[in-house]
Amino acid sequence: QQQVKQSPQSLIVQKGGISIINCAYENTAFDYFPWYQQFPGKGPALLIAIRPDVSEKKEGRFTISFNKSAKQFSLHIMDSQPGDSATYFCAAYYNFNKFYFGSGTKLNVKP
Amino acid sequence: NAGVTQTPKFQVLKTGQSMTLQCAQDMNHNSMYWYRQDPGMGLRLIYYSASEGTTDKGEVPNGYNVSRLNKREFSLRLESAAPSQTSVYFCASFTTETVYEQYFGPGTRLTVT
Repeated sequence: QQQVKQSPQSLIVQKGGISIINCAYENTAFDYFPWYQQFPGKGPALLIAIRPDVSEKKEGRFTISFNKSAKQFSLHIMDSQPGDSATYFCAAYYNFNKFYFGSGTKLNVKP
Repeated sequence: NAGVTQTPKFQVLKTGQSMTLQCAQDMNHNSMYWYRQDPGMGLRLIYYSASEGTTDKGEVPNGYNVSRLNKREFSLRLESAAPSQTSVYFCASFTTETVYEQYFGPGTRLTVT
């Protein structure tokens, strides 16, 4: 059973546009929701994360929106740039030391 | 400060051979993880270690063993490699002391023929 469902699988956005990636979870015990960015041949790198006591967190062009009642969270990349082209993973964690990852979204930002 | 390091970067094994993947972190994190990444399946947890001296199974532990040698090092062993274990393996460390942060190593690309 997939604990975290991520969509879409792939996304093409024009330079300057907004990229939106969505994730949904079932387990209400999750208490930490990070997003990771991964470039080809590299390990995932933490991009931004949120705890369930806030509904939004913004860091530069990256924003997480969190809807606790719907058990959904999303990543918004404003003013998307070609350098943002990468694979993005959402994840969820609860206090048994386990992370559950979404299946990933491959983002392609066209110049 | 190297973060999380993994060796080797690449490895080709024949079916039935054994090998150990090494991982070390220099951030004094308590928790360490081994994941495998396969196309379209995200990252799946193989084993994790919440602290020195403890290890627990993740989602896909079959065919693997681990050792938490000390706080810095966490190794993954394949006793008898199978083609289904062809994957990219990532080690990660995690802390919850001040903020929650998980850091990944650069990965080991393993091919089993």
